[in-house]
Order: sequence, then structure tokens, then C-alpha cells
Amino acid sequence: AQKVTQAQTEISVVEKEDVTLDCVYETRDTTYYLFWYKQPPSGELVFLIRRNSFDEQNEISGRYSWNFQKSTSSFNFTITASQVVDSAVYFCALSKKGGTYKYIFGTGTRLKVLA
Amino acid sequence: DVKVTQSSRYLVKRTGEKVFLECVQDMDHENMFWYRQDPGLGLRLIYFSYDVKMKEKGDIPEGYSVSREKKERFSLILESASTNQTSMYLCASSSTGGVGTEAFFGQGTRLTVV
Repeated sequence: AQKVTQAQTEISVVEKEDVTLDCVYETRDTTYYLFWYKQPPSGELVFLIRRNSFDEQNEISGRYSWNFQKSTSSFNFTITASQVVDSAVYFCALSKKGGTYKYIFGTGTRLKVLA
Repeated sequence: DVKVTQSSRYLVKRTGEKVFLECVQDMDHENMFWYRQDPGLGLRLIYFSYDVKMKEKGDIPEGYSVSREKKERFSLILESASTNQTSMYLCASSSTGGVGTEAFFGQGTRLTVV
């Protein structure tokens, strides 16, 4: 069975602090994809990043970085120098290649960045 | 700009009513999804469709049905609304053309059943 676990329900940080959001996944597939989405207060989920199971390179995009480790089945997301605008719910998701694939989401982590 | 549009942001319905939630996408995507979002439970898949008139049950299909008569439109139907269906409903679409493509989401419909 496929599963995504985001153990952190809510995190509060002060502006400019670094914060890491954890994501642990379970799958028996050898080919799969992992995603991170941001849900601001407006409600619409915004795609942030996709990573396939064969690419373990870390990725950095501005203040955002992602660490994918197959050995620990983790795909963690770090925000450096957090800002108030980063306040949102962040979801990690998993999908598999081929067929009528679907997306399995974690329960989300609510990040509050305080000014 | 890619767009997934849900017909209503907020809905209030009475118990026992038949409720239609509409979703339209303009990206010519093959796949469309309906999720339900509840605090502490994340997004749970209700139904998805991978082609016109094709549908598959997700994890929590009970009390819901769907309709996809045209590629761009995917409707979620609550046959007889109940208070435990009060929730945020999110529609999404994705392309099958590129494997591992991301899903695009609508703005959500917050449904309250009284």
C-alpha cells in the first residue's frame, strides 16, 4: 500500500528562522514521483516541486530546498530565512508511474511564520 | 495560465438535498480528481476519472457519485447530503502525457450541510 506521513501537524517559527518540513513515504513501486504543494489561506493548492524515484539529487530554488533520500524513504522540505508569506499548509504527495495513477497526500503541516 | 475552476467557493445545503459540485479545466487534461479535505486528515480521494465517462472509486466514495460527460468537466454529486459531508472539496486535473506530471487544483468549495 502507498502512504505518505507528515508527522508535524503544526510548526511555528519566527521570521528569518530556517524550518524543515518532514515527509516519509511508503511504496512498493520502484518508479514513483514525489511532490510538495503549498496551500495558502486562499485555499488553492500550489505545486512547488516534483521528484522522480531515480533522481536523488537535492534541489534548491531560492529559499526552498528539498532533500530526497530513498534509503530512509524521506523527501524533506527546508525553507531558509522564513518569511511571513511562507505561512501556509504544506502537503507532500506520492504518485506512481503508469496506468491510471493517482496522488496520495499526507495530512499536511501547517507552518506559521511570526513577524 | 492553466486553470481549474470550481463553480462555487461556498455552499450551504440542507440535509437530504442532492448537491452538485462542478469542476471545469481548460488544459485538455485526461485525468480529473475529487478530493475532500478535513482537518487532521489531509486530502482524501473520493473519485477520479481518467477519460470521458470513465471513473474509479477513490478511498472514500461512499455517499458520492461522479459524472464526466465531457473531457473538461467533472461533477461530484452528493445524492443525499448529510452533515458529515460538511467539508472542503478540491478538484484537480493532470495530464497522462508526461509521466509524473503534477496535478493542478481548483480553489476549493467549502460545503456546509445543515
